[in-house]
Amino acid sequence: DTGVSQDPRHKITKRGQNVTFRCDPISEHNRLYWYRQTLGQGPEFLTYFQNEAQLEKSRLLSDRFSAERPKGSFSTLEIQRTEQGDSAMYLCASSSGGLATEQYFGPGTRLTVT
Amino acid sequence: KQEVTQIPAALSVPEGENLVLNCSFTDSAIYNLQWFRQDPGKGLTSLLLIQSSQREQTSGRLNASLDKSSGRSTLYIAASQPGDSATYLCAVRLLLKTGANSKLTFGKGITLSVRP
Repeated sequence: DTGVSQDPRHKITKRGQNVTFRCDPISEHNRLYWYRQTLGQGPEFLTYFQNEAQLEKSRLLSDRFSAERPKGSFSTLEIQRTEQGDSAMYLCASSSGGLATEQYFGPGTRLTVT
Repeated sequence: KQEVTQIPAALSVPEGENLVLNCSFTDSAIYNLQWFRQDPGKGLTSLLLIQSSQREQTSGRLNASLDKSSGRSTLYIAASQPGDSATYLCAVRLLLKTGANSKLTFGKGITLSVRP
């Protein structure tokens, strides 16, 4: 059990470019979550997968955001036509069993849009 | 809409002091509450998870309590050490009619500094 991993850890991009982040959950965790955290704030929920099915999306997830979890393993979060307001830490978490179990977070991907 | 508040935003204490971090939430219909630690620029480390039916959970020098009816939780840290310096966040999971909600709703966190 190596924990939740995220790649890259840091990403600097110019406004208007597309970026993609990857999250590898803890092995055999069936639930995967994406959150976004801006400076001085707590994380905010973006979306949630149970296996390969995306079951919930926040209103924060605009049309420029898309997330996938093919085969119910790793997940990707893509942001198209990035804006400066997208600059944040993107956190991935995973859990096993029911919805009420503990969520384990990865180290996050820090996105800076210039 | 569930709101989670953590006050004060920052706290500085001398090493060895026992301290309490507070968390309040507006909707008492929660499934559980989780306390996390976050070091600067890093992800979140889960500290304690309290189910709605529980009153408290303990792990080492940490003790978390939950009073669902009043919408409050506290994280007690005994004999604080400089290594405890970090931001502490609480997060609640709502209880919906269909069962537990999938998402956690977080407070903004309390940044703790323990002075040697």
